[in-house]
Amino acid sequence: GAVVSQHPSRVICKSGTSVKIECRSLDFQATTMFWYRQFPKQSLMLMATSNEGSKATYEQGVEKDKFLINHASLTLSTLTVTSAHPEDSSFYICSARSPARSTDTQYFGPGTRLTVL
Amino acid sequence: QKEVEQDPGPLSVPEGAIVSLNCTYSNSAFQYFMWYRQYSRKGPELLMYTYSSGNKEDGRFTAQVDKSSKYISLFIRDSQPSDSATYLCAMSYSGGGADGLTFGKGTHLIIQP
Repeated sequence: GAVVSQHPSRVICKSGTSVKIECRSLDFQATTMFWYRQFPKQSLMLMATSNEGSKATYEQGVEKDKFLINHASLTLSTLTVTSAHPEDSSFYICSARSPARSTDTQYFGPGTRLTVL
Repeated sequence: QKEVEQDPGPLSVPEGAIVSLNCTYSNSAFQYFMWYRQYSRKGPELLMYTYSSGNKEDGRFTAQVDKSSKYISLFIRDSQPSDSATYLCAMSYSGGGADGLTFGKGTHLIIQP
C-alpha cells in the first residue's frame, strides 16, 4: 500500500520550454501533496505544499510563477516548470499524505529527473 | 547552522555488523522524526516513524530519539549488502506529515559482502 507514482521518470528539454510532472497516489486519497527538489549530494528541499482544491503554499525563495502547482483531485497533483533553464535541472520528488492511513506521514514517489539543455 | 546535520559518509562496514546512523538538529519544535532509505535515482522509502523521545524497534531496525540532546539515531542489526543505500533522517513540527519535512543530507551506507 501507499503507492505514489510520478510521470515522467526522466525528461530532457530545451531551455525556455515548459515541462509538466505528474504525481499520483495510486491506492489512497491524498489530502495533501508536497513537492521537493534534490540536487546531487544534497538533501531534499521542500518547494511547496498543495491541498486539493486550494492554492499551493510555496517555501521562501521558490518562485510561484515559475513552478506552477495544480492539485485538481485527491489523487493527482502536477508541477509545471515554466520557461525552464539549465539551473532548474534537478531531481523532483513528490510526496502524498493520507491521514486515514495507520502511519500518518508522507509517502514519496520515485522522482523525476529533469535535464534542461 | 543548518537545521538538520547528518554526516554524508560514505560509511562502509562489513556484512553482519551493527550500523549506527545519526542526525542532530537545532530546532526544538520538531516533534516527529523519520528515517527514509533512498536508493540511487529513486524516491525515499519510509523505514521508521517516531514521535518525541524514546525507542522504536521494527525487525532489524531501531530508531532512537533524544529530544533533550536534539539527537536521533537509527541502528541496523545484522547488516546485509541489500542495506547499501543512502539513509535520510527527516523531521516535522506537527504530526502525520501535515507539514513539509526537513531532511538531513543523507548518509551513504555501504555494506561489504
